[in-house]
Amino acid sequence: AQSVTQLGSHVSVSEGALVLLRCNYSSSVPPYLFWYVQYPNQGLQLLLKYTSAATLVKGINGFEAEFKKSETSFHLTKPSAHMSDAAEYFCAVSSADTGNQFYFGTGTSLTVIP
Amino acid sequence: DAGVTQSPTHLIKTRGQQVTLRCSPKSGHDTVSWYQQALGQGPQFIFQYYEEEERQRGNFPDRFSGHQFPNYSSELNVNALLLGDSALYLCASTILGNSGGDFGPGTRLTVL
Repeated sequence: AQSVTQLGSHVSVSEGALVLLRCNYSSSVPPYLFWYVQYPNQGLQLLLKYTSAATLVKGINGFEAEFKKSETSFHLTKPSAHMSDAAEYFCAVSSADTGNQFYFGTGTSLTVIP
Repeated sequence: DAGVTQSPTHLIKTRGQQVTLRCSPKSGHDTVSWYQQALGQGPQFIFQYYEEEERQRGNFPDRFSGHQFPNYSSELNVNALLLGDSALYLCASTILGNSGGDFGPGTRLTVL
């Protein structure tokens, strides 16, 4: 069975501050891990994905995430928040043995304070 | 090159009615999955289609059914609509066996 836990349903940061969104996963097989962003009334946009290559993954818009197997974590970071980063962020896990269907977390709403 | 497209963008139905949502996958993709995203929640997997067959199914009742056409496009049908079916329905496409997928913009279904 696979699942994702996102700690903190709401996160607020000041513009220019570090963004840290937490994601812990559970998977009985080597997982693929993803971060998606969703702006209001829109679909999901892929930020980055881990597929068993480098453990530090760089994505779009300055975001990156590090896969830590020992901690079963895949936290999302960005050194300096922009106003345009305000959105809902979803962590997801999948694996080949379940047909690569996504299991999503409940999301973290990021607010950027000017 | 068009990505995943979905139609319609918004839909309003009343309880008991039936609805059909449509999805066209990204060019080159052969596998389509459907997800339901209730307000304030993460997307939940409904089912996945490949070669016009349902390959996998999530924990959704039989009121939810689907179809995939030879051109890989797909439909999601929901019968006997309930208020709780109100949600954003997302379609994702990929190539079978590949990790990840591309999502469409979604169809917002409101059941009154």
